[in-house]
Amino acid sequence: NAGVTQTPKFRVLKTGQSMTLLCAQDMNHEYMYWYRQDPGMGLRLIHYSVGEGTTAKGEVPDGYNVSRLKKQNFLLGLESAAPSQTSVYFCASQRGAFYEQYFGPGTRLTVT
Amino acid sequence: AQSVAQPEDQVNVAEGNPLTVKCTYSVSGNPYLFWYVQYPNRGLQFLLKYITGDNLVKGSYGFEAEFNKSQTSFHLKKPSALVSDSALYFCAVRVSTGGGNKLTFGTGTQLKVEL
Repeated sequence: NAGVTQTPKFRVLKTGQSMTLLCAQDMNHEYMYWYRQDPGMGLRLIHYSVGEGTTAKGEVPDGYNVSRLKKQNFLLGLESAAPSQTSVYFCASQRGAFYEQYFGPGTRLTVT
Repeated sequence: AQSVAQPEDQVNVAEGNPLTVKCTYSVSGNPYLFWYVQYPNRGLQFLLKYITGDNLVKGSYGFEAEFNKSQTSFHLKKPSALVSDSALYFCAVRVSTGGGNKLTFGTGTQLKVEL
């Protein structure tokens, strides 16, 4: 099993550009999450999904959109990138309520 | 709202000595508590969790944590530290009610184990 994979690993955007980050999991997990990690702030939840076709807002959803058309994939979109979105983005998946989350390797995004 | 505090930004310990990384939490229901470790340029890896039952939880790589309800703490411990334990450690909490199984993470503690 590959576990949780993220594409791309690195990306540099100019302010106003758009992009989509792809998260894929091969563990048949119901729950999927997008976090951002910034120095001194830990991980903050952007959006999450409790199943195929469902999404919900997390702690810091502004400026991001998500979609979960297939159970194994969770996409994070930035419609108009801003320098404040410079961060490391992590995707995670979870089997169910009492289980731990499995994390992908991260995407380092820089917005200039 | 739930929250997690990791009061130490960095913990330094000599190899072979015991280590403790502190975590306190605040929730309005029964907590589910987790510890994760992050090595440089990597994603988070699960170490251990407390859901219910025995207050002393054993996890990966010789780590353990003790759930203390009265002190609302869930400190991570290891009897004998290794240089390879040097990494960033995160505590996280999830309440037992509500949707989404959302975790709230602490800000992380950098553990440095020196020879």
